[in-house]
Amino acid sequence: QSVLTQPPSVSGAPGQRVTISCTGSSSNIGAGYDVHWYQQLPGTAPKLLIYGNSNRPSGVPDRFSGSKSGTSASLAITGLQAEDEADYYCQSYDSSLRRVFGGGTKLTVL
Amino acid sequence: EVQLVESGGGLVKPGGSLRLSCAASGFTFSSYSMNWVRQAPGKGLEWVSSISSSSSYIYYADSVKGRFTISRDNAKNSLYLQMNSLRAEDTAVYYCAGAVAGTDWFDPWGQGTLVTVSS
Repeated sequence: QSVLTQPPSVSGAPGQRVTISCTGSSSNIGAGYDVHWYQQLPGTAPKLLIYGNSNRPSGVPDRFSGSKSGTSASLAITGLQAEDEADYYCQSYDSSLRRVFGGGTKLTVL
Repeated sequence: EVQLVESGGGLVKPGGSLRLSCAASGFTFSSYSMNWVRQAPGKGLEWVSSISSSSSYIYYADSVKGRFTISRDNAKNSLYLQMNSLRAEDTAVYYCAGAVAGTDWFDPWGQGTLVTVSS
């Protein structure tokens, strides 16, 4: 059971908008620690997608955006494309457990 | 090109030991804290261990504390993970990942090395 809770799966049609939630607690996200997001395409290593709650590394399309409020964070993907089909993970810091990941969310593009 | 390349994975019996290595290139290794993250087959990511840029600070997940030892050699641009008393539940792909000193997001990542603990 992960410290950060994500929905196991989400889906959407091409062109649609989907969101993935990441729910923590007062010892991690709610304590003010930043949330970061990673995309893992099938058979590959994770790749940084969003850092510091809402910042995109160079090369990440602006279709991807992140936000944080209270004890939760969200990743939004607009203009869904087939190539976005992947697993997505949130990550933060926990005062007792150090770095922590969410359980991951599988995005299916219908 | 920024690159992390892991090696040392393989099949080991329960109770055995293995040493993973991660070779870094294309960035200033000594300015990064380094981390090991693992992923069991079909499962999510699990942070394993972190070491600061100068090796002053070292942290472990409770699941490996006392059994795994992280270390680095900045002169060789290399990160290591000594894994002892291995268990079946340690079976996973092990990734090394860097984090700019003072930050806690992971970038870059290596391609991973598979560790299988089985009799």
